[in-house]
Amino acid sequence: GQQLNQSPQSMFIQEGEDVSMNCTSSSIFNTWLWYKQEPGEGPVLLIALYKAGELTSNGRLTAQFGITRKDSFLNISASIPSDVGIYFCAGRDHQGAQKLVFGQGTRLTINP
Amino acid sequence: EAGVTQFPSHSVIEKGQTVTLRCDPISGHDNLYWYRRVMGKEIKFLLHFVKESKQDESGMPNNRFLAERTGGTYSTLKVQPAELEDSGVYFCASSQGLAHEQFFGPGTRLTVL
Repeated sequence: GQQLNQSPQSMFIQEGEDVSMNCTSSSIFNTWLWYKQEPGEGPVLLIALYKAGELTSNGRLTAQFGITRKDSFLNISASIPSDVGIYFCAGRDHQGAQKLVFGQGTRLTINP
Repeated sequence: EAGVTQFPSHSVIEKGQTVTLRCDPISGHDNLYWYRRVMGKEIKFLLHFVKESKQDESGMPNNRFLAERTGGTYSTLKVQPAELEDSGVYFCASSQGLAHEQFFGPGTRLTVL
């Protein structure tokens, strides 16, 4: 089945640092989504991308839909303690598909 | 507006037993999805309901899993008999329409001993 390769698996950073994570696929995706999961909660949508090349920001978060349609990245600038959690990329692999394919997640830990 | 709710939050059962998980979607959302995350791996799709009909059940692992959504409101996912590899977190999500994004519930953590 479809797979998304997400990296890195984990990150340990100092408060105030910038963060970058990415997802790649061997096949084309028509939608890229970035979710954040905190302990005891379900994934919460951060950013949705629908067009190749699209660059979208949500506060300190910026994500891009790769030109090849096979990758996406998420950047977090000036990290703060509440950014801690697991970040997942997800995508839909063809138009009209509803099921989401997820990456393995990036666990972000921040040292104050 | 209440979000997606799931019950129970945790379930610990022995191999061979039966467990039923429940999901209440956001009111008015016709689309309901089940996903699961096993042992720190990726979240994987199980199935998708549109109202009471199964639209896509391509992710269901085997016939020990039975999902229902009678009346098109809440949904149940039954595992019978449970096996060790069924342990994981089961997420439910709902969306208003096919063009809308999915909202996830907090998940049910299932442990099979």
